[in-house]
Amino acid sequence: RKEVEQDPGPFNVPEGATVAFNCTYSNSASQSFFWYRQDCRKEPKLLMSVYSSGNEDGRFTAQLNRASQYISLLIRDSKLSDSATYLCVVSSINTGTASKLTFGTGTRLQVTL
Amino acid sequence: NAGVTQTPKFRILKIGQSMTLQCTQDMNHNYMYWYRQDPGMGLKLIYYSVGAGITDKGEVPNGYNVSRSTTEDFPLRLELAAPSQTSVYFCASSYGGKTEAFFGQGTRLTVV
Repeated sequence: RKEVEQDPGPFNVPEGATVAFNCTYSNSASQSFFWYRQDCRKEPKLLMSVYSSGNEDGRFTAQLNRASQYISLLIRDSKLSDSATYLCVVSSINTGTASKLTFGTGTRLQVTL
Repeated sequence: NAGVTQTPKFRILKIGQSMTLQCTQDMNHNYMYWYRQDPGMGLKLIYYSVGAGITDKGEVPNGYNVSRSTTEDFPLRLELAAPSQTSVYFCASSYGGKTEAFFGQGTRLTVV
């Protein structure tokens, strides 16, 4: 089983729609969680951190479910400029090694007129 | 405000040649990472470092070497380049293993 799994998509949604992505992780000892955004042929950039209580940043809401080991990202009122690949990132500590960030393969979002 | 700087941005190598991809960060981050991303695919971790003098293998280390002699620099060495190493290479850094990572702009490498 992969450490971090995401549905690759693509998710094709019209402008103004609400879209949600889920991500599951395998290591129950994971401690930090993030969503990154990657535009075509560009480097990934942090979109938001994910906190245990859930957090919101404008149209974006992230939630963490430790019991089921998944995190989610909700985008409301989608804009054309939201078209990108969204990467789920998990920090895990494994016995005998240092913690490190593990990236999911990403979910592609295409927002259309 | 440089952040993470990678050089070169583009490179074409012939099969069997060697090269070093440079990565430097000015944020005094302890952790540094090298990833490769093939077209349409996700990031794969090649090597990472938790501090000067310490490196560890990631998911796809074969064909690569790294060193971390200073906090700022984390070069990636390709020995005997092969077409399978054609990819975009991203360097990243973070303060710790649980904190957000910042990425360089990438190096687009083609091996012919």
